[in-house]
Amino acid sequence: EIVMTQSPATLSVSPGEGVTLSCRASQSVGNNLAWYRQKPGQAPRLLIYAASARAIGIPARFSGSGSGTDFTLTISSLQSEDFAVYYCQQHNIWPLTFGGGTKVEIK
Amino acid sequence: QVQLQESGPGLVKPSETLSLTCSVSAVSVSISTDYWSWVRQPPGKELEWLGYIHKNGDSNYNPSLKSRVTISLDTSKNQFSLKLSSVTVADTAVYYCAADSAPNRYFHWGQGTRVTVSS
Repeated sequence: EIVMTQSPATLSVSPGEGVTLSCRASQSVGNNLAWYRQKPGQAPRLLIYAASARAIGIPARFSGSGSGTDFTLTISSLQSEDFAVYYCQQHNIWPLTFGGGTKVEIK
Repeated sequence: QVQLQESGPGLVKPSETLSLTCSVSAVSVSISTDYWSWVRQPPGKELEWLGYIHKNGDSNYNPSLKSRVTISLDTSKNQFSLKLSSVTVADTAVYYCAADSAPNRYFHWGQGTRVTVSS
């Protein structure tokens, strides 16, 4: 199965600042990569799919890029609700697999 | 807007079968073209895809679970279910039901239900 590796494990950021999260696949997944945000005690929320397409209702401050094995999620200006854990997920090859997550915490 | 709600026992004994139900609101599972999925998250670990089912009979399961997992659709009750047999402590997790128009991503989620495997 494809192993997804996210870095860094934790990011400390001030509100209003921008941040870039990384995700690497153990083999090419094309552009079949999704990003989710999970707040404590809540279900994940789909942010990005197909590497760069924003899901319905997701604000423009979220953007995704990359293809093949290397992907990034950029949040241009962190809001209070953005301090959470972010997971990437490849949706190219079964079984679908998720990364270990990056926690974005308040600095 | 599809709404999902998981239900089932919070405690299951080792070697028994874990059974969970996901009640669907706002759409009919017999009409919707969505794929109905289960995802779990062990304590402190990443998400794990378990499987999906579609009203046309299409289904797919995570091979790591071998033949222990079954997902079924109950159109009369507008719900879908997960059965995981021969559970061990490694199956302790928060279990989520999810749905999307594609089988390989998840836009709609239930709130999740915590299941502990313990004697």
